[in-house]
Amino acid sequence: GAGVSQSPSNKVTEKGKDVELRCDPISGHTALYWYRQSLGQGLEFLIYFQGNSAPDKSGLPSDRFSAERTGGSVSTLTIQRTQQEDSAVYLCASSLAGQGADTQYFGPGTRLTVL
Amino acid sequence: KNEVEQSPQNLTAQEGEFITINCSYSVGISALHWLQQHPGGGIVSLFMLSSGKKKHGRLIATINIQEKHSSLHITASHPRDSAVYICAALNTGNQFYFGTGTSLTVIP
Repeated sequence: GAGVSQSPSNKVTEKGKDVELRCDPISGHTALYWYRQSLGQGLEFLIYFQGNSAPDKSGLPSDRFSAERTGGSVSTLTIQRTQQEDSAVYLCASSLAGQGADTQYFGPGTRLTVL
Repeated sequence: KNEVEQSPQNLTAQEGEFITINCSYSVGISALHWLQQHPGGGIVSLFMLSSGKKKHGRLIATINIQEKHSSLHITASHPRDSAVYICAALNTGNQFYFGTGTSLTVIP
């Protein structure tokens, strides 16, 4: 079926507002990852979901960031009280199984701009 | 010091040249990934390696676990290969570490 999809593709928000970013993984993929890529910077791992297990949140940069994955499928990344340094492209990827030990398929990303 | 170092940072090549991008890492790994990011941002996973060598079309990836080093080779390079190539290491603690990328431009 379709690849990984993300919405919105672009989001402009004011500092201090909350934002929600959505990721629809490939159907049947048990693993889901969120990454961040700031302007001119490399990729940064944020959080990883494997099936129904508790997520690995070790990469979340602050407690303003949270993520959930409902029913082992769609995931939302929420950023509360956004700051200008949160401006980045947020990428989602999914894989059939196993953290890192399987090919990851990336979504097109959500470009977040915090004014 | 970054856990993953890539070289070169920037690379310009003539169409048809053989290209090598290098990745060194300092952590124990369970897997190493090579990613390709085209202008416009889309990311494609090229290879996932835990040992040896893999080939896909004109792309070859190798890894030497003892030396903690991986290379991505492109044979008969083409302008459509122009992209940023990113090395990503998954350590044994299930943490991902990314290189800063190699920006490749292939000139016709």
